[in-house]
Amino acid sequence: EVQLVQSGADVKKTGESLTISCQGSGYTFTSYWIGWVRQMPGKGLEWMGIIFPSDSDTRYSPSFQGQVTISVDKSISTAYLQWSSLSASDTAIYYCARRITVIREKYYFDSWGQGTLVTVSS
Amino acid sequence: SDVLTQPPSVSVAPGETARITCGGYNVGSKSVHWYQQRPGQAPMLVIYYDSDRPSGIPERFSGSKSGNTATLTISRVEAGDEADYHCQVWDSISDCADFGGGTKLTVL
Repeated sequence: EVQLVQSGADVKKTGESLTISCQGSGYTFTSYWIGWVRQMPGKGLEWMGIIFPSDSDTRYSPSFQGQVTISVDKSISTAYLQWSSLSASDTAIYYCARRITVIREKYYFDSWGQGTLVTVSS
Repeated sequence: SDVLTQPPSVSVAPGETARITCGGYNVGSKSVHWYQQRPGQAPMLVIYYDSDRPSGIPERFSGSKSGNTATLTISRVEAGDEADYHCQVWDSISDCADFGGGTKLTVL
């Protein structure tokens, strides 16, 4: 069974750094892109970026480029989402998801992590 | 990236049919995927490639597309179908995923 297990909820203050994680199991971790999606309180889904664990090739949404860093440690089948300086507007639930790339440019996400709630206060 | 438009809310009585639309420029030339997100849970894929169902998704869930509008149809709606539904396409120009704003399905 494919599983993506994310790290637990975190509460931070503005200006602090944070790294959250997403560990995959039940499949060959290095064969699938892992994406990150933000969901602000009461809002829809926003795509942040994606990484290919095999070679760490990373792509960012223009809206998040420079705001976060996506990385991976394939030795432990884990992807990361990192902030160097949080702001209140980063308060949201963050999901990781596995991307299916069978048909070029018709990609979708077949498995999702349970989500990590990040709360940033001043 | 492309903008996908969904109605904010749809309401139906149990046993009726719910239709949730997703429109946008060039939707007709892309594959549309649909996700169900029950309250407090992560999204779950219910339709991919416009009309394919993952294993385990009931046949009551179906997808279609006409022109630049895709439709998720839920037949014989049950209380457990109450959730937010999000459509998604891949923007090949920006190499990004685009999501619709989501539709809250209320079962009356």
